[in-house]
Amino acid sequence: AQTVTQSQPEMSVQEAETVTLSCTYDTSENNYYLFWYKQPPSRQMILVIRQEAYKQQNATENRFSVNFQKAAKSFSLKISDSQLGDTAMYFCAFPNPNAGGTSYGKLTFGQGTILTVHP
Amino acid sequence: DTAVSQTPKYLVTQMGNDKSIKCEQNLGHDTMYWYKQDSKKFLKIMFSYNNKELIINETVPNRFSPKSPDKAHLNLHINSLELGDSAVYFCASSQDLAVGTDTQYFGPGTRLTVL
Repeated sequence: AQTVTQSQPEMSVQEAETVTLSCTYDTSENNYYLFWYKQPPSRQMILVIRQEAYKQQNATENRFSVNFQKAAKSFSLKISDSQLGDTAMYFCAFPNPNAGGTSYGKLTFGQGTILTVHP
Repeated sequence: DTAVSQTPKYLVTQMGNDKSIKCEQNLGHDTMYWYKQDSKKFLKIMFSYNNKELIINETVPNRFSPKSPDKAHLNLHINSLELGDSAVYFCASSQDLAVGTDTQYFGPGTRLTVL
């Protein structure tokens, strides 16, 4: 079975500092995307960043970047210059293929990491 | 303009009732989804539709029936509500069913509470 694991249930960071959230996954696929979503207290699911597995270069979106290690099946999210508005639950997500090898959009989510940014 | 919208945002009802949640997307996407987020925040897919056609039914009880009148709308009807149906239900959409590569955009969620 394809799985996504976030081993850190909770993390905290001081404002303006850097924090890294970890995610590991298991797949036999070769071409896929990986996603990080953020869910603030408003409960809206917001796409933070996505990584294409066939690209060597790590994705970056402003203060958010990933460390993608394809061989190790690791996909961590780094948040630089943390802001109070970054306080949220963060989910790593991966398209989970069915038995036929097609994912049909079946995103499998990790358990989530609650990030608290302190002033 | 909201890209993916859901109504209502909150729904409180008695056990045994029938209720519906509506979802609309104005992104021009072909594929729409329903996810359920339980009390432990675990998110799991329930259904996906592509161009009004059911693609995924992830072993959801028959009491849950999605309906897609057109590709911009995907509604979720739930019969005979049970306590265990209490959760947050998210609608999402993506451009198409591209295998493993298409980004999904989520609605604001509907918090369903069954008393």
